[in-house]
Amino acid sequence: RKEVEQDPGPFNVPEGATVAFNCTYSNSASQSFFWYRQDCRKEPKLLMSVYSSGNEDGRFTAQLNRASQYISLLIRDSKLSDSATYLCVVNTNAGKSTFGDGTTLTVKP
Amino acid sequence: DTEVTQTPKHLVMGMTNKKSLKCEQHMGHRAMYWYKQKAKKPPELMFVYSYEKLSINESVPSRFSPECPNSSLLNLHLHALQPEDSALYLCASSQEEERNYGYTFGSGTRLTVV
Repeated sequence: RKEVEQDPGPFNVPEGATVAFNCTYSNSASQSFFWYRQDCRKEPKLLMSVYSSGNEDGRFTAQLNRASQYISLLIRDSKLSDSATYLCVVNTNAGKSTFGDGTTLTVKP
Repeated sequence: DTEVTQTPKHLVMGMTNKKSLKCEQHMGHRAMYWYKQKAKKPPELMFVYSYEKLSINESVPSRFSPECPNSSLLNLHLHALQPEDSALYLCASSQEEERNYGYTFGSGTRLTVV
């Protein structure tokens, strides 16, 4: 079993749709959690840190469920510009980062 | 300055060449990283420098040699590479290795080995 697993995708949604990605992790000692966005042939960019209390940034909401060991990313009112690969990253307390394989989102007009 | 700058952006090299990739950040971050990314795969950790000392080497072949001349600079020296080493090489930084509040990645060097 992989340490970090993401929805396989791809997700193809119309503009304006709401889409959710999940990511599960196996190491219960994991301490910090992030979502990155990566556009084709570009570098990953930090989208959001994920906290137990949940956090929201505009149309994006991230949640952490420590009991079930998963994190989620919700995108509301999808825009064409949201099309990208979304990477889940989980860190242990020693700072070791494990990347998920990524989920590809395509938002269509 | 909230950027990580990598040079060159593109590099084509023969299997007998020696080249270097460079990375620079001025955010005061004390951890710097080299990642390798193949198409449609997530980044794969190669090396971690913490406070200018090599902290992690993920069993990378010796044809890749990292160097951290100071807290702002990170190099990756390449020698006798193989075609399968062709990939996007990403440099990243974070505040500290143990206090990682998320990476700032450079735009990468797209390496082709011929």
